[in-house]
Amino acid sequence: AQRVTQPEKLLSVFKGAPVELKCNYSYSGSPELFWYVQYSRQRLQLLLRHISRESIKGFTADLNKGETSFHLKKPFAQEEDSAMYYCALPYYTGGFKTIFGAGTRLFVKA
Amino acid sequence: ETGVTQSPTHLIKTRGQQVTLRCSSQSGHNTVSWYQQALGQGPQFIFQYYREEENGRGNFPPRFSGLQFPNYSSELNVNALELDDSALYLCASSPTSGRATDTQYFGPGTRLTVL
Repeated sequence: AQRVTQPEKLLSVFKGAPVELKCNYSYSGSPELFWYVQYSRQRLQLLLRHISRESIKGFTADLNKGETSFHLKKPFAQEEDSAMYYCALPYYTGGFKTIFGAGTRLFVKA
Repeated sequence: ETGVTQSPTHLIKTRGQQVTLRCSSQSGHNTVSWYQQALGQGPQFIFQYYREEENGRGNFPPRFSGLQFPNYSSELNVNALELDDSALYLCASSPTSGRATDTQYFGPGTRLTVL
């Protein structure tokens, strides 16, 4: 069965420190993974998708099929990165579906 | 370009009642997905519509149903409301392909409370 796991509910780091938000998935096919972000009082929005291989707001994510992971990384966290982050896996099983992880709240301290 | 809008913002219903939530997709987006987000959880996929046909459904009972209209609007209907249906309901629209792998553009959500 398809599954997306974000093991940390809360991650707290100091400004300027590196940050890594973990995402592990379970999927038998070739995954196309996304990271969505929700800043305070804003709607959920795309941060990045692995297929585009872009770096958005300094964040990158590499798909590791061997470890079935898609961790989100940033070398130097900023206070404005404080938000809720969700990893998402769209897939097809008898129809098109998307599964989201439970989310990780990132808090960047000054 | 207008983003995804949802109405109403908040709604209070009683157990057993029926509710209709509305969504207006971003212009030109012919795929819409609906999600249920309980407090402290990630969005749970309810179903997806592409060109007015359901083309994907999550693990939700048949009392959750939907409609998509040619004018990029859509509805989520929930019959026989239960207390556990209390949640934030999100709709998300995507451009063109009808697959799940397009970027999804989310609305602000409708907060449903069932008493």
